[in-house]
Amino acid sequence: QKEVEQNSGPLSVPEGAIASLNCTYSDRGSQSFFWYRQYSGKSPELIMSIYSNGDKEDGRFTAQLNKASQYVSLLIRDSQPSDSATYLCAVNLDTGRRALTFGSGTRLQVQP
Amino acid sequence: EPEVTQTPSHQVTQMGQEVILRCVPISNHLYFYWYRQILGQKVEFLVSFYNNEISEKSEIFDDQFSVERPDGSNFTLKIRSTKLEDSAMYFCASRENEQFFGPGTRLTVL
Repeated sequence: QKEVEQNSGPLSVPEGAIASLNCTYSDRGSQSFFWYRQYSGKSPELIMSIYSNGDKEDGRFTAQLNKASQYVSLLIRDSQPSDSATYLCAVNLDTGRRALTFGSGTRLQVQP
Repeated sequence: EPEVTQTPSHQVTQMGQEVILRCVPISNHLYFYWYRQILGQKVEFLVSFYNNEISEKSEIFDDQFSVERPDGSNFTLKIRSTKLEDSAMYFCASRENEQFFGPGTRLTVL
């Protein structure tokens, strides 16, 4: 079964530190990768998308993709208490398939 | 900034009743989706909709579910005969390049 895997956490980091969130996926044909943030009781909020190998930076966020290793990560620099949330990795698992397959999410706690 | 909207925010129903969840996608988006999230579990894909027809559905989306775009703005999910296990958050999403989610409808089946 095609899956997206994440450590559930919680990942606890001090304010100002770098938080590193990881995700692996099972389908080599996957083309599109997304990170969503979800606060408790709220809907997923898109943070980053990444489509090609390497790094993509947007403000304090950097997404990293390694298709050979089937691995995607999200780095959050200068973590703030407001970053405390669950971070969901989502993948379009098959070429042409538009539905997203989500991981179970990693809960991040940023300690003031 | 354009956003996906959903109504109602919370729906309580009795088992066996029909419910209709409503969504207004972002206006220039062409692809629409329904997902659900049971409390404490993953976000799960239900169905995608493009050009006035279902383009993809999951094994969860059985005969008790249906979707419709009754006019140029609304996108609805109908559950014909609700079960206790249908209790979940239901999210609508729309897409141009990336999927943007609405705030969700919390469905509680008693």
